Amino acid sequence: AQKITQTQPGMFVQEKEAVTLDCTYDTSDQSYGLFWYKQPSSGEMIFLIYQGSYDEQNATEGRYSLNFQKARKSANLVISASQLGDSAMYFCAMREGYNFNKFYFGSGTKLNVKP
Amino acid sequence: ETGVTQTPRHLVMGMTNKKSLKCEQHLGHNAMYWYKQSAKKPLELMFVYSLEERVENNSVPSRFSPECPNSSHLFLHLHTLQPEDSALYLCASSQGGGSGGRSYEQYFGPGTRLTVT
Repeated sequence: AQKITQTQPGMFVQEKEAVTLDCTYDTSDQSYGLFWYKQPSSGEMIFLIYQGSYDEQNATEGRYSLNFQKARKSANLVISASQLGDSAMYFCAMREGYNFNKFYFGSGTKLNVKP
Repeated sequence: ETGVTQTPRHLVMGMTNKKSLKCEQHLGHNAMYWYKQSAKKPLELMFVYSLEERVENNSVPSRFSPECPNSSHLFLHLHTLQPEDSALYLCASSQGGGSGGRSYEQYFGPGTRLTVT
């Protein structure tokens, strides 16, 4: 079974609107971490936001927030007030346990922001 | 230099060539990673090094040979590659090991776009 599932290959959003990118995960560990990365066309993966499995509050970083629903094993990324520069691939990832070498990525969602 | 750097950014090589990819991190991390990113595939973790010791090797063919001489540098030596090895190769670093409570987020370099002809 896949550890990380992103079911939206591509998404469109109007500039200044909010958008939610879906991510579900699969692990039997109680301790894990969830991450979102942005990959512009230049190729570099940029770390956006982190949520620990024991964190009670949803993580927020500026215009990014992570909608963490533990029972559903989902960790959706919400981008508020989309900007043209947000057009990129977005990857959800999971660190299993406290194993820094057990890191899994989803297949990504291509976000296009329309002016 | 800051963050994670990778050289070269682009590489074209024949199947009989030998080349090396270089990665350097300036973040004081002690774990480094090589990933392969092919079109329409999730990132594939190839190798993980922690404190210069290899801790993960995900069934990568022997034509890829990693080297980690110190915690700041990571190399990927390439020889007799196949056309299907053409991909973006990403290097990353993070804090590693220790007790729980850390996020261990990985920071990536810009990648090397490899084309095997």
